[in-house]
Amino acid sequence: DTAVSQTPKYLVTQMGNDKSIKCEQNLGHDTMYWYKQDSKKFLKIMFSYNNKELIINETVPNRFSPKSPDKAHLNLHINSLELGDSAVYFCASSPDQETQYFGPGTRLLVL
Amino acid sequence: RKEVEQDPGPFNVPEGATVAFNCTYSNSASQSFFWYRQDCRKEPKLLMSVYSSGNEDGRFTAQLNRASQYISLLIRDSKLSDSATYLCAHWGGYGQNFVFGPGTRLSVLP
Repeated sequence: DTAVSQTPKYLVTQMGNDKSIKCEQNLGHDTMYWYKQDSKKFLKIMFSYNNKELIINETVPNRFSPKSPDKAHLNLHINSLELGDSAVYFCASSPDQETQYFGPGTRLLVL
Repeated sequence: RKEVEQDPGPFNVPEGATVAFNCTYSNSASQSFFWYRQDCRKEPKLLMSVYSSGNEDGRFTAQLNRASQYISLLIRDSKLSDSATYLCAHWGGYGQNFVFGPGTRLSVLP
């Protein structure tokens, strides 16, 4: 009965690789998000989708490309991974763009 | 000035103590304010919303001061299980960002 789930939980990869993180929510929410939490624990929004449409796109390198096949899923694809991409990536969903429900996070380490 | 600033931590307090956190924000148009709790290696979880009239949930009291652009969180009779990082956040309205502060770490000691 997991509300917001992410896969994988851990991701270790080499610089230059391309990887994807998947997110699914079974709460029936219209809005989904990707956040990045860096080593200093700063949690910063990257993207927001409402009913599969992009509504927020913060200053994020275009190596990061979100994709929402339906309103229950928001995946994040990262091309040409760099050392600085190492962080915890949290997916979240919201019924009203206000209250945020977070997934468990994906810990990405780029070597 | 950063969008959201919080008291630097960590706060180390004995069990039973009362501890208060402050958070300032720069966007005067922000509509909604929140406190989230994040345990070590876990996701943030909503602790409480913050209203202008102030609100209380058990041992937790949150206040919003729009004139001075700050929110506060008071924890009374702190428990060991309150040890976590507390993040303040605000939301600017539909289509706007949800912005989190850097968090304040609390350790409640036996």
